[in-house]
Amino acid sequence: AQSVSQHNHHVILSEAASLELGCNYSYGGTVNLFWYVQYPGQHLQLLLKYFSGDPLVKGIKGFEAEFIKSKFSFNLRKPSVQWSDTAEYFCAVNAHSGGYNKLIFGAGTRLAVHP
Amino acid sequence: GAGVSQTPSNKVTEKGKYVELRCDPISGHTALYWYRQSLGQGPEFLIYFQGTGAADDSGLPNDRFFAVRPEGSVSTLKIQRTERGDSAVYLCASSLTAGNEQFFGPGTRLTVL
Repeated sequence: AQSVSQHNHHVILSEAASLELGCNYSYGGTVNLFWYVQYPGQHLQLLLKYFSGDPLVKGIKGFEAEFIKSKFSFNLRKPSVQWSDTAEYFCAVNAHSGGYNKLIFGAGTRLAVHP
Repeated sequence: GAGVSQTPSNKVTEKGKYVELRCDPISGHTALYWYRQSLGQGPEFLIYFQGTGAADDSGLPNDRFFAVRPEGSVSTLKIQRTERGDSAVYLCASSLTAGNEQFFGPGTRLTVL
């Protein structure tokens, strides 16, 4: 069965620190990959997505993620975080074999950025 | 409306009762999804509609859960004989077609006492 692992459940950073959140998935076929963010009191929003092409994907608010097929990974990065990045981040995958019908989510990483 | 809407935002019910949760997708989106998010976990897939039909209901936990989308737009998730373990946030999402970006609603927080 497909699964998504996010290695860090809680991350605490100071403003201007660099961020990297790990995401690994288990599925051998073609996948689409996503990072969603949930700010306090708000609903899930798409941060960035990878369907094909350049494995380095740029998203909103300065975030980027790199798809490394050989490692089944899609890590999220940001060079310098801000207090407003405090949120919960979810990695998700949907698979070609499933007709891309459903997202499989990781458990999420709760990020707290201190000023 | 501009986004996916869900009603009610909160629902408190007693064990054994029946509940209905409603989702209004983005206009023109043919694909609609229901997910459930328990505390400390990521959303978990329940069911996917393409148009009016449930194309994949493999995530429904048991036969107490049922969902409909009779006109290919609004969907209702129905839970019979609720149990305390059903307490969670129920999320609805829609996309233009399957495989495209899914847009999520704010969710309905269900509490079963």
